[in-house]
Amino acid sequence: GESVGLHLPTLSVQEGDNSIINCAYSNSASDYFIWYKQESGKGPQFIIDIRSNMDKRQGQRVTVLLNKTVKHLSLQIAATQPGDSAVYFCAEKGTGNQFYFGTGTSLTVIP
Amino acid sequence: KAGVTQTPRYLIKTRGQQVTLSCSPISGHRSVSWYQQTPGQGLQFLFEYFSETQRNKGNFPGRFSGRQFSNSRSEMNVSTLELGDSALYLCASSLAAGVGEQYFGPGTRLTVT
Repeated sequence: GESVGLHLPTLSVQEGDNSIINCAYSNSASDYFIWYKQESGKGPQFIIDIRSNMDKRQGQRVTVLLNKTVKHLSLQIAATQPGDSAVYFCAEKGTGNQFYFGTGTSLTVIP
Repeated sequence: KAGVTQTPRYLIKTRGQQVTLSCSPISGHRSVSWYQQTPGQGLQFLFEYFSETQRNKGNFPGRFSGRQFSNSRSEMNVSTLELGDSALYLCASSLAAGVGEQYFGPGTRLTVT
């Protein structure tokens, strides 16, 4: 089955710096990807999505990059703020139309 | 618009018991998916319901079951609880099955002792 892995389980960044969270996926046929943010005690919150016919998509302070050649997804957060501290998950829609989630990267923003 | 709600938020059960968790999707959303989240395994897909029919099922034993009602509300049931069933159970709703964004509820924290 599909596996989705994040490159680093934890990431610490200085407030104001840019953050980059990476994710590798296994199914080259996956056509839809989502990044989620999960704060302590809450369910995952949708951040941004991207379809496989795109390489890049931008939102407010966030950018998702998709490299289908190496099956890699990244989330860039500009000017990271303390409120960005959370666990970030990538998810791919794969076999059977199911979403497969990575194990998450815990982002800590240092004031 | 109200978000996804899940009840109860916390639950403590003993081994061998059964439990029923409830999820109310966002108004207008007809698809409900259930996930189990544990520190070791992350988020794992349990099943998805759309229009009262199970559309997808993850790799979980038959002790895990669910259903969806005509108003799109969904319940999941776990029978013969095991210690390893302790987890955060998350429900997510979307407009249609396998399409677009999923919006998650806050989860039900189940502890099995």
